[in-house]
Amino acid sequence: QKEVEQNSGPLSVPEGAIASLNCTYSDRVSQSFFWYRQYSGKSPELIMSIYSNGDKEDGRFTAQLNKASQYVSLLIRDSQPSDSATYLCAPEGGGYQKVTFGTGTKLQVIP
Amino acid sequence: KAGVTQTPRYLIKTRGQQVTLSCSPISGHRSVSWYQQTPGQGLQFLFEYFSETQRNKGNFPGRFSGRQFSNSRSEMNVSTLELGDSALYLCASSLVPSYSTAEAFFGQGTRLTVV
Repeated sequence: QKEVEQNSGPLSVPEGAIASLNCTYSDRVSQSFFWYRQYSGKSPELIMSIYSNGDKEDGRFTAQLNKASQYVSLLIRDSQPSDSATYLCAPEGGGYQKVTFGTGTKLQVIP
Repeated sequence: KAGVTQTPRYLIKTRGQQVTLSCSPISGHRSVSWYQQTPGQGLQFLFEYFSETQRNKGNFPGRFSGRQFSNSRSEMNVSTLELGDSALYLCASSLVPSYSTAEAFFGQGTRLTVV
């Protein structure tokens, strides 16, 4: 059974700061990872995917993956109040396992 | 292209009743996964269907069941409703089975309230 752990937060950062969201996973099978953003009362939406070790940048978002440490993170630069949401980490199912979502980290960006 | 459509959006049922929720995936997507989301539990996986076959099942009682039709539309049924079934039910559509990718597109969800 795959385990995915995230700090539930809330993580509060001032507007313009860097928000760092972390996720650890228990198995070594997963090869790719996905970050979802969920606004309050809305459904999750995919914002980033990362398939190999290292960093992947997309605008203000950077995903970092370290497979040896079984750790993936999402950095949000120049955080905006509109980034306030819960961020869910999801390793790829792998090995015919279902996708397991982390419980999510709630981010609050303070104007 | 059209996104994932879930119906109904809101539902109020009485304990002991049954309910059927519907999900129409993105055109061309053959995988539909269902999740239950409650404030304290996060996203809990119910089951996944791909090409009309259940591919994975979560740890939910047999009161929760589902099916998928040849056009990839899926239904989820909950029988003998309990108060604890009150939750947001989300379906997620993807091109391939979820064990191949965690890239999925969610519907807006059905908010079920059991009274």
